[in-house]
Amino acid sequence: GENVEQHPSTLSVQEGDSAVIKCTYSDSASNYFPWYKQELGKRPQLIIDIRSNVGEKKDQRIAVTLNKTAKHFSLHITETQPEDSAVYFCAASKSGGGADGLTFGKGTHLIIQP
Amino acid sequence: SQTIHQWPATLVQPVGSPLSLECTVEGTSNPNLYWYRQAAGRGLQLLFYSVGIGQISSEVPQNLSASRPQDRQFILSSKKLLLSDSGFYLCAWTGGSQVQYFGAGTRLSVL
Repeated sequence: GENVEQHPSTLSVQEGDSAVIKCTYSDSASNYFPWYKQELGKRPQLIIDIRSNVGEKKDQRIAVTLNKTAKHFSLHITETQPEDSAVYFCAASKSGGGADGLTFGKGTHLIIQP
Repeated sequence: SQTIHQWPATLVQPVGSPLSLECTVEGTSNPNLYWYRQAAGRGLQLLFYSVGIGQISSEVPQNLSASRPQDRQFILSSKKLLLSDSGFYLCAWTGGSQVQYFGAGTRLSVL
């Protein structure tokens, strides 16, 4: 089955700096790659996603890049703010119809230092 | 708009007791439904998914089972809870795309 590796497990950055979280996946048939943000005790919230026919996607301060050849994708957060502090999860799935579930990475605890 | 309801929010159960967690989705028909478990400080593990009434796929062999008695209802059960069943249980749904939306979760403590 699919295996998703996520690094780093903890990332501490100064407020205003950029943060980058990286993930690799094993199944070349995977075609959908979402990123979720989870605050303590709450549900994961989708923040951005990318499909395999796109190399990069941006939404304000957040961007995701995908390298299908290398089977890795990354989350980039620019101009970090205190409210960006949370655990971030990458995930992958390969069903065109959306039936299969997501395989998640183990998460990155992002800490924004004031 | 679509909403997903999950209850209870918190549950404390003794070892060996039964379990029933319920999830319902409103505002859509024929959703794909999912149960995930998140152990403390860990990632999310897919337990079950369903593409229709009575259709359940299990991803991980374990002490749990799932059922889908109605189109928008998904139930997670156990006959006898183990200590290792403790965790944060999340229900999720998708419509026509692969985008998954999560319920608020149930925090289960087995003592």
